[in-house]
Amino acid sequence: NAGVTQTPKFRILKIGQSMTLQCTQDMNHNYMYWYRQDPGMGLKLIYYSVGAGITDKGEVPNGYNVSRSTTEDFPLRLELAAPSQTSVYFCASSTTGGTEAFFGQGTRLTVV
Amino acid sequence: QKEVEQNSGPLSVPEGAIASLNCTYSDRGSQSFFWYRQYSGKSPELIMFIYSNGDKEDGRFTAQLNKASQYVSLLIRDSQPSDSATYLCASDPLNTDKLIFGTGTRLQVFP
Repeated sequence: NAGVTQTPKFRILKIGQSMTLQCTQDMNHNYMYWYRQDPGMGLKLIYYSVGAGITDKGEVPNGYNVSRSTTEDFPLRLELAAPSQTSVYFCASSTTGGTEAFFGQGTRLTVV
Repeated sequence: QKEVEQNSGPLSVPEGAIASLNCTYSDRGSQSFFWYRQYSGKSPELIMFIYSNGDKEDGRFTAQLNKASQYVSLLIRDSQPSDSATYLCASDPLNTDKLIFGTGTRLQVFP
């Protein structure tokens, strides 16, 4: 059982480039989340989804976009990358709200 | 005011002592509270969750919830060096589907 899988694990982007962080889960969870974690800080919610076709903004959505076309996949799109987006990105999923969230391994992104 | 607040630490305790980690939350309607442990360079993993006022024990870990004071704590008894990690508190604000985390408290257990 793979759980939550994120790709890539590491990426270096140049300022202004775009990329998509992939997240897939095989637990048939309805809820999925994207967080970013800056050094020495907690997790900040970027976007979340309660099911296929439904997404909503979290605490820090600017500069990002998401889609949820299937239950399994929840990609995060970065448009026009900026140095401020250098961070570790975590995807997570849960059965419903108020239940345990399972995390992927994270993607370490550097924008130079 | 942040929705979930924690002291960033570090909290240093000797091996065998009780470590007490604290968290406050602003949304009085929050229903669920979680403690995650995160080792350096790794993903968070769930340690405890609590929904009701009072204490909940699981092995060396005890979660405490006081909804009147909007306060959640995690006690780690007989602390071990392997407990050294960052502990993240999380809650789900009322009428949202969000899961909001605090900044985490770094715990150091020294031999």
